[in-house]
Amino acid sequence: GIQVEQSPPDLILQEGANSTLRCNFSDSVNNLQWFHQNPWGQLINLFYIPSGTKQNGRLSATTVATERYSLLYISSSQTTDSGVYFCAVLGYGGSQGNLIFGKGTKLSVKP
Amino acid sequence: EPEVTQTPSHQVTQMGQEVILRCVPISNHLYFYWYRQILGQKVEFLVSFYNNEISEKSEIFDDQFSVERPDGSNFTLKIRSTKLEDSAMYFCASSAFSGGTGELFFGEGSRLTVL
Repeated sequence: GIQVEQSPPDLILQEGANSTLRCNFSDSVNNLQWFHQNPWGQLINLFYIPSGTKQNGRLSATTVATERYSLLYISSSQTTDSGVYFCAVLGYGGSQGNLIFGKGTKLSVKP
Repeated sequence: EPEVTQTPSHQVTQMGQEVILRCVPISNHLYFYWYRQILGQKVEFLVSFYNNEISEKSEIFDDQFSVERPDGSNFTLKIRSTKLEDSAMYFCASSAFSGGTGELFFGEGSRLTVL
């Protein structure tokens, strides 16, 4: 099945810093989503981005489908950005709604 | 903005008890899903549901689990006789289109603790 690798596994930032999180996948996808899991375990939808670039406030994401990777950019990070960021994909011919999640990047933003 | 809502946010139960987790998907969505995340691990697919029947299920979704859409708005996950290893965060999701062609919208999760 399709493999999803996220890097780095852990990231510590000072408040105000910028960061880039990466998601590599092993095969073509027709669904790619980014999520933020906050310290309480709640899963927050960030982006649906099987290709192209999107921006939402301080967050933006780019997926280069032909190169099989996606990037999540966080600018001017805040302590509330702390948590785990997951990338999830569905490959072509993949099972109905069976998103494959990466292991996540754990982000800690220090004041 | 429409959202998927889940109840309860946290449930504690004794081993062997039945548990029902409830979800209200986004109103015009047709596809419904349950996912599970054991503490410290990846989020894993359990089951997808469309047109009042299961369309796909994972190896995790054994006979102890069942799903139902009892009315026009709720989507439930039942665990018949809970085990310690069922302790996890359970996420409901819905989509307007098949998951292969559209975004899945996730609820914030229900944490299940089995003692």
